[in-house]
Amino acid sequence: GQQLNQSPQSMFIQEGEDVSMNCTSSSIFNTWLWYKQDPGEGPVLLIALYKAGELTSNGRLTAQFGITRKDSFLNISASIPSDVGIYFCAGQLYAGGTSYGKLTFGQGTILTVHP
Amino acid sequence: SAVISQKPSRDICQRGTSLTIQCQVDSQVTMMFWYRQQPGQSLTLIATANQGSEATYESGFVIDKFPISRPNLTFSTLTVSNMSPEDSSIYLCSVAPGQLDYGYTFGSGTRLTVV
Repeated sequence: GQQLNQSPQSMFIQEGEDVSMNCTSSSIFNTWLWYKQDPGEGPVLLIALYKAGELTSNGRLTAQFGITRKDSFLNISASIPSDVGIYFCAGQLYAGGTSYGKLTFGQGTILTVHP
Repeated sequence: SAVISQKPSRDICQRGTSLTIQCQVDSQVTMMFWYRQQPGQSLTLIATANQGSEATYESGFVIDKFPISRPNLTFSTLTVSNMSPEDSSIYLCSVAPGQLDYGYTFGSGTRLTVV
């Protein structure tokens, strides 16, 4: 089956630093999603990407859908303590409308931000 | 996006018993999904729950162990049957996007500990 390789597994950074994480796949996806999970909570959607090459921002977050459709990255600029959590990428084979595809998740990146 | 209420939020259960987890959505949705997140791990899809038909299970998950009900378009249950300590995980329900450009929404999860 499809597998997503997400890296790094964990990051320890100082407040104010920029962060970058990425996901690569052995097969293509139509959609890439980035989620954040706080302790005791379910994942919350940060950014959704629907087109190869697409670059999308959400505040201090920027994500890109790779041209090959097999990879995506997420950048967080000027990190703050509340950025702490686990970040997951997820790939989906179908995009848009009422059609759907199963989500395949990466292993997650644990982010720790030191004040 | 949809708001999901999941119950219970956590439980400690004896091995050999069963637990039913409920997922209530504030709007009608076509597709509902159940995921398992083992300690320190990523999310793995258990099954897709369709209203009015049998759930579709992923490889490694069977109906006898994880029976699912989907009586209407806003509600689903997942039962973890004949539990063992290996079933200790977070169980999450999710709904598919009903409109373009919305990712899947997750409930806050049920943290299950089997002793």
